Amino acid sequence: QSVLTQPPSVSAAPGQKVTISCSGSSSNIGNSYVSWYQQPPGTAPKLLIYDNNKRPSGIPDRFSGSKSGTSATLGITGLQTGDEADYYCAAWDNSLSAWLFGGGTRLTVL
Amino acid sequence: EVQLVESGGGLVQPGGSLRLSCAVSGFTFINYDMIWVRQAPGMGLEWVSYISSSGSTIYYADSVKGRFTVSRDNAQNSLYLQMHSLRAEDTALYYCARNPPFRFDYLGPGTLVTVSS
Repeated sequence: QSVLTQPPSVSAAPGQKVTISCSGSSSNIGNSYVSWYQQPPGTAPKLLIYDNNKRPSGIPDRFSGSKSGTSATLGITGLQTGDEADYYCAAWDNSLSAWLFGGGTRLTVL
Repeated sequence: EVQLVESGGGLVQPGGSLRLSCAVSGFTFINYDMIWVRQAPGMGLEWVSYISSSGSTIYYADSVKGRFTVSRDNAQNSLYLQMHSLRAEDTALYYCARNPPFRFDYLGPGTLVTVSS
């Protein structure tokens, strides 16, 4: 199955803001909800954002999500060194009857 | 506390078989769809299979279709992945995950499958 498209890496300084994009198509992002996952090195992925822009309990409001058309964006403000991780978007594809993941974006906090 | 614990991974020769299990606790298993996701060493996440709460609806990634079979035992709070005709490219950490609508909200720590001669 094809993947959703994310930039391989992003970086920013502590305290700054960063955004991570996720591009898909009308059969997935365009007609479904997007979720985002954080995976620090050596750990299992953790749900960060669901239903495009909702945060599970315990996720700080420094993390936000949005969707427009066939693209979605994860935003992180007030960057901390502990935010260094791989970030993945995901969406259900109605045409493929399959879950699709983005290729992952590695965040480096300089 | 929601917990998912995978087991059954190991080293297997190409063409061999393995059966992964996922034991869950802390929630009403029968109410949730479930999925398997895998991650090859140094690579991204790849969805493997989906099974509905009743087990009546099942989907597979093209890469495993015809070789892998997902099942569940709601009485035993367990999810399974039977893998046959394993290939080197199936080498990965396999996660089971709880699948409420449009998201995976809990994943286990994973079980490592290594396919090598």
